[in-house]
Amino acid sequence: DGGITQSPKYLFRKEGQNVTLSCEQNLNHDAMYWYRQDPGQGLRLIYYSQIVNDFQKGDIAEGYSVSREKKESFPLTVTSAQKNPTAFYLCASSVPGLTLFFGPGTRLTVL
Amino acid sequence: GQQLNQSPQSMFIQEGEDVSMNCTSSSIFNTWLWYKQDPGEGPVLLIALYKAGELTSNGRLTAQFGITRKDSFLNISASIPSDVGIYFCAGLDNGGATNKLIFGTGTLLAVQP
Repeated sequence: DGGITQSPKYLFRKEGQNVTLSCEQNLNHDAMYWYRQDPGQGLRLIYYSQIVNDFQKGDIAEGYSVSREKKESFPLTVTSAQKNPTAFYLCASSVPGLTLFFGPGTRLTVL
Repeated sequence: GQQLNQSPQSMFIQEGEDVSMNCTSSSIFNTWLWYKQDPGEGPVLLIALYKAGELTSNGRLTAQFGITRKDSFLNISASIPSDVGIYFCAGLDNGGATNKLIFGTGTLLAVQP
């Protein structure tokens, strides 16, 4: 089945540690995205990539980093520089200009 | 970052009632999308609208792309308990070299059996 997978579903980390969230898609989509969702709020764009080896900052990129070495994969690293990293993180992919399909999300809790 | 104005913020209704929610923007969009998010899951696409004035149905759901291209509404008829969730509108900003979705703040729907 085609789709987007994110792992793990729940992640706990100590303050000051970097953590990497995985996102894989087998939809053959060129574009991939990372969004952050906080309780009671909409989705805010962290980073996006329209093609392999290229990515751009979204609206809230500070404290995050990404890589896009393969078409299928777009991992997100939450660094210690991110002041308030506890949130629900959503990965998505699309054919550029068309609708986004989302993964199931990773809930990150920093203790 | 830019966000769409979505209303109402929340709705508490009885099973069987009809529901209406809408999104407005100061910007023009070429595509409007409606997503539903269940608790702890990723949003799932319900309806996509690609043309101003377009009215599209998906089962009990009906959505319209406003003529001005600055608004859209979603109606749910005869609500059922599994309609519970957060509904998001999104406008596709495909001006320039980027294709970015701008999301509404969401409408929380609670349905009492």
